[in-house]
Amino acid sequence: ETGVTQTPRHLVMGMTNKKSLKCEQHLGHNAMYWYKQSAKKPLELMFVYSLEERVENNSVPSRFSPECPNSSHLFLHLHTLQPEDSALYLCASSQDSRGRGQTQYFGPGTRLLVL
Amino acid sequence: AQKITQTQPGMFVQEKEAVTLDCTYDTSDPSYGLFWYKQPSSGEMIFLIYQGSYDQQNATEGRYSLNFQKARKSANLVISASQLGDSAMYFCAMREGSERYSTLTFGKGTMLLVSP
Repeated sequence: ETGVTQTPRHLVMGMTNKKSLKCEQHLGHNAMYWYKQSAKKPLELMFVYSLEERVENNSVPSRFSPECPNSSHLFLHLHTLQPEDSALYLCASSQDSRGRGQTQYFGPGTRLLVL
Repeated sequence: AQKITQTQPGMFVQEKEAVTLDCTYDTSDPSYGLFWYKQPSSGEMIFLIYQGSYDQQNATEGRYSLNFQKARKSANLVISASQLGDSAMYFCAMREGSERYSTLTFGKGTMLLVSP
């Protein structure tokens, strides 16, 4: 595997379900990110991790719970979601979380539908 | 105020022609980076090109070039010799600062359709 991978690619869940999104990066990077992309909206940053430490929580509801067990893996735990949480969830990584020149490399995303 | 503005919701271009996608930005930070990403219908965001605020020359990557006009705060993407596979959403993004972390802010995107 190369680059950034995400599983599952598609997910349908009910509002009472609990599920997790997984992201893995094979680039040796130290920073990882979760973004939400809703229809007709710019990408919204949700969480930033640097060396497994959360450095940004962008006012995300508590029904989204991130976990970064090591610098290569990032999870997004989902519980009691709302239909408006349906979106494309993108994971990204960069060498470092600091610096204007840090390019973020994205995974293919998980398309989430909440019924 | 929006930090990244992409005024073209959609653009059409014929195969083999050049196309320019507009992007203007707003920042008071002297240190920033500008990025362009391509997002095909599959969803993955593909990094295309980067321009640093202190770079003297416009960035180029193969058929992609960035027309950086600092005084006008614009960073337009130029795609030369368009191909059918270039049909996708294109996002301009900016990263400011060099503190503990710096966030990437995206524009709303431009949908590019390349016709035969």
